[in-house]
Amino acid sequence: EPEVTQTPSHQVTQMGQEVILRCVPISNHLYFYWYRQILGQKVEFLVSFYNNEISEKSEIFDDQFSVERPDGSNFTLKIRSTKLEDSAMYFCASRQQGYLTNEQFFGPGTRLTVL
Amino acid sequence: GENVEQHPSTLSVQEGDSAVIKCTYSDSASNYFPWYKQELGKRPQLIIDIRSNVGEKKDQRIAVTLNKTAKHFSLHITETQPEDSAVYFCAAPLRGNNDMRFGAGTRLTVKP
Repeated sequence: EPEVTQTPSHQVTQMGQEVILRCVPISNHLYFYWYRQILGQKVEFLVSFYNNEISEKSEIFDDQFSVERPDGSNFTLKIRSTKLEDSAMYFCASRQQGYLTNEQFFGPGTRLTVL
Repeated sequence: GENVEQHPSTLSVQEGDSAVIKCTYSDSASNYFPWYKQELGKRPQLIIDIRSNVGEKKDQRIAVTLNKTAKHFSLHITETQPEDSAVYFCAAPLRGNNDMRFGAGTRLTVKP
């Protein structure tokens, strides 16, 4: 069964550094998402992406964040200048196009630790 | 305020008992309501979902009910087993289906 994959599984970085988190969505999916989950807290929506552009973003997704689909398979989340409070698990998700296909499939996550 | 509110935050039941988790949402245009189970250190996994054109959906021991008028939906787990122990999240879209907002989660513990 196809799955969403994410790399790396764990990223440690220094405050102020840029990080890029990578995701490979399921191949026939057209909607892509990034979520973040601070340890012990709820899953928070960051951004959704469709047709090579952002379709929705939350109040968390400020100018420090950007997303890109650089090729036909990868979907990336970039944090330009990391802060301590960016430490969290970041999940990528994808879903098919269509009114009856709402299910989002989550990747295994990337644990980001900012020191 | 929060788009999705979830209660209770923790729930402890004896094996074999039922568990009920409730969520309310604010956007009356929301039309899709998933429930996710998340085990420690793992990704959220969809366990059941419901669309706004039905009031109830069941899958073996798991069921979801939806009250559109009151804007709340509930997860029901019957004959609970220790392996049901996890954190459960409800979710509802804020705008269309591309801005999914999650509840705060319910930590369910099933005691053998």
